[in-house]
Amino acid sequence: RKEVEQDPGPFNVPEGATVAFNCTYSNSASQSFFWYRQDCRKEPKLLMSVYSSGNEDGRFTAQLNRASQYISLLIRDSKLSDSATYLCVVNPSSGGYNKLIFGAGTRLAVHP
Amino acid sequence: DAGVIQSPRHEVTEMGQEVTLRCKPISGHNSLFWYRQTMMRGLELLIYFNNNVPIDDSGMPEDRFSAKMPNASFSTLKIQPSEPRDSAVYFCASSYDGEVHQPQHFGDGTRLSIL
Repeated sequence: RKEVEQDPGPFNVPEGATVAFNCTYSNSASQSFFWYRQDCRKEPKLLMSVYSSGNEDGRFTAQLNRASQYISLLIRDSKLSDSATYLCVVNPSSGGYNKLIFGAGTRLAVHP
Repeated sequence: DAGVIQSPRHEVTEMGQEVTLRCKPISGHNSLFWYRQTMMRGLELLIYFNNNVPIDDSGMPEDRFSAKMPNASFSTLKIQPSEPRDSAVYFCASSYDGEVHQPQHFGDGTRLSIL
């Protein structure tokens, strides 16, 4: 079983749609969680951290369910510019060791 | 503020040649990471430095790969001799790590093609 699993997609949605991505992780001791965004032929960029209580940043909402080892990202009112690959990222260790495990990514294509 | 700076952006060379990739982390960051990304395997961590010391090199594929961090502002990843299967995008990332994990910031990457 992979340490971080995501639905690869692609998700093809019209502008204005709401879309949700899911991710599961295998290490129950994981402490830190992130969503990164990667555009075609570009570097991964941090989209948002994921906190235990859930958090929102504009049109983006991230949720964490530790019991189910499940992370989600919700995008409301999709824009053409949201088209990218979304990477679920988990840090399986605590303390100072910042080793990140990246999921394979979920591809999103927003069309007019 | 300057981000993570990598060079070269692109490298095309023949198999058997030595390849050296360079990285300058964000000033003040104490952790540096080298990743490799391919379509087949996704993003893989090759090696992780903390305070210039290699902490985890378990991702380095084989002895042909080596990495150094002589000071807090510079790191190299070397492949010698290079092989076609080394073709990939190589990313360097840095972060500040203390009691709380901080997100990693990536450079633009080096697109490596071994012919």
